[in-house]
Amino acid sequence: QKEVEQDPGPLSVPEGAIVSLNCTYSNSAFQYFMWYRQYSRKGPELLMYTYSSGNKEDGRFTAQVDKSSKYISLFIRDSQPSDSATYLCAMTSNSGNTPLVFGKGTRLSVIA
Amino acid sequence: AAGVIQSPRHLIKEKRETATLKCYPIPRHDTVYWYQQGPGQDPQFLISFYEKMQSDKGSIPDRFSAQQFSDYHSELNMSSLELGDSALYFCASSASGAGPLNYGYTFGSGTRLTVV
Repeated sequence: QKEVEQDPGPLSVPEGAIVSLNCTYSNSAFQYFMWYRQYSRKGPELLMYTYSSGNKEDGRFTAQVDKSSKYISLFIRDSQPSDSATYLCAMTSNSGNTPLVFGKGTRLSVIA
Repeated sequence: AAGVIQSPRHLIKEKRETATLKCYPIPRHDTVYWYQQGPGQDPQFLISFYEKMQSDKGSIPDRFSAQQFSDYHSELNMSSLELGDSALYFCASSASGAGPLNYGYTFGSGTRLTVV
């Protein structure tokens, strides 16, 4: 079993829809959770991060972490065609300069 | 703002050849990470360096080696290339103590290696 599981999609939604992206993980030591957005032929770009359980909101994006269920989510409100990308969850147990463990990524298409 | 620079952007090699990928971190970033992303796969951590010393090691094959130089740039050397080595290789950099929480962990655009 992989440490981080993420449905690869693809996920296709109409413009303006609310998008829900999710990851589950098995390592209870993970405390820092991140969402990266990756456009085709580009490197991953950090979107949001959260520490431990809870919610964090940034504009149209909301990240949620439920450590008891080992489940994290990213919600995108009022989705736009420019949100079309692959979204990768990533996590680590340490806040220092430590490597990240990534999910497979979910490919999202927002149709105008 | 300067980003993480990787070269070359694309590389085509034959089986059993060698390849060298280069990564130039953001100025004042002292930690470099290498990741391998196969087609439709998640990035897999290979190796990282802090202050020119190896700091963490992941799933890097013995055929690969890497180092960080005095100017903090890093090179990933790949020998006896196999078809399965075809992937996107990303480099990321961060500053001491920054880590992912302080947005200090920045990825380059990657080198696409194709082994034929």
